[in-house]
Amino acid sequence: QQQVKQSPQSLIVQKGGISIINCAYENTAFDYFPWYQQFPGKGPALLIAIRPDVSEKKEGRFTISFNKSAKQFSLHIMDSQPGDSATYFCAASKKQAGTALIFGKGTTLSVSS
Amino acid sequence: GAVVSQHPSRVICKSGTSVKIECRSLDFQATTMFWYRQFPKQSLMLMATSNEGSKATYEQGVEKDKFLINHASLTLSTLTVTSAHPEDSSFYICSARGGHEQFFGPGTRLTVL
Repeated sequence: QQQVKQSPQSLIVQKGGISIINCAYENTAFDYFPWYQQFPGKGPALLIAIRPDVSEKKEGRFTISFNKSAKQFSLHIMDSQPGDSATYFCAASKKQAGTALIFGKGTTLSVSS
Repeated sequence: GAVVSQHPSRVICKSGTSVKIECRSLDFQATTMFWYRQFPKQSLMLMATSNEGSKATYEQGVEKDKFLINHASLTLSTLTVTSAHPEDSSFYICSARGGHEQFFGPGTRLTVL
């Protein structure tokens, strides 16, 4: 049973456009929702994260929108740049110490110049 | 963000040999570390959760006698792939939890000939 569903699998966006990646979760006990960016051959890097007590969080060009009732959250990348081309993973975890992140399957983003 | 290192970054070994991968949290103490495996163009698969001073908890389907995990201190966890075979070739990534956030190492590319 896949606990975190991510879409789309791949995305092509023109430079300057908005990239939108969506995730849905099933377990209402999840209370931490991060997004990671991964370049080929590198480990994932934490990009931005949100807790369920807020509906939106913005850091620079990256925004997370969170809909608790729908159990969905999304990543918006504004003014997408070729350097943003990478694989993006959403994830979720419970509050208890020692619990692992559950990852979505990833979205490969290509920003064309 | 916090820094997690992994060593080595790449290793090539012969079938039947054992390989040890080190994961260190450089600027924080991590009571819990995680080991993931990632195949090309796929998501991260959790292999085991490692708690300092106690036995690791392995995910279903992961052989604990093949993938030995030791978490000897609050800053060091090791993964030993015993009697490695070509099907063990993969990208192994560790992560360490600092509070709610989880930080990843740069990964280790294991190739078994």
